[in-house]
Amino acid sequence: QKEVEQNSGPLSVPEGAIASLNCTYSDRGSQSFFWYRQYSGKSPELIMFIYSNGDKEDGRFTAQLNKASQYVSLLIRDSQPSDSATYLCAPSGNTPLVFGKGTRLSVIA
Amino acid sequence: GAVVSQHPSRVICKSGTSVKIECRSLDFQATTMFWYRQFPKKSLMLMATSNEGSKATYEQGVEKDKFLINHASLTLSTLTVTSAHPEDSSFYICSASQASGRSYNEQFFGPGTRLTVL
Repeated sequence: QKEVEQNSGPLSVPEGAIASLNCTYSDRGSQSFFWYRQYSGKSPELIMFIYSNGDKEDGRFTAQLNKASQYVSLLIRDSQPSDSATYLCAPSGNTPLVFGKGTRLSVIA
Repeated sequence: GAVVSQHPSRVICKSGTSVKIECRSLDFQATTMFWYRQFPKKSLMLMATSNEGSKATYEQGVEKDKFLINHASLTLSTLTVTSAHPEDSSFYICSASQASGRSYNEQFFGPGTRLTVL
């Protein structure tokens, strides 16, 4: 199975700052990735899907995929306290998806 | 996006009773559904994969006789926790993948069911 690694955090950033969440993977065959967000006590929700090298932007979120270095990142601009959650990445090639442990983000007002 | 519902959202039961949790894909057909369990502050743990019309595939360490899974149609899967005990108290989450033909296997998650066994 294609596996990923994430720093479990917590990652604390002040409100308004850029939060950078990273995910590394070991299988060079992984071509595309999902980013899910999970609020405490809630189920995961899909926020980004990236399948090509480079950046993909959606509002305040930017996903970056670097296949040569085997990492995928999620940047959150102008972080808000409501962004405080655990962020999970998963390569799309597995069924079911295999999640990393997730990075807990805390945005401090 | 596709919507997955779960019922009930919260259940409290006595030790020794059985609890059934339903997972429905509301606006798409789900050939495959997955059941996860999550303890507080822990990672999602896959329990089993169910395919419509066939037996579920359980992950190692998950008792199939305790956690009965039925996927009778393309829009409904059920998880029954039999003879529940306090250690079964957890957050149970289902997810579903759409029928084949899609390029990417994104999973849509239900809102989860919080089970408390007294």
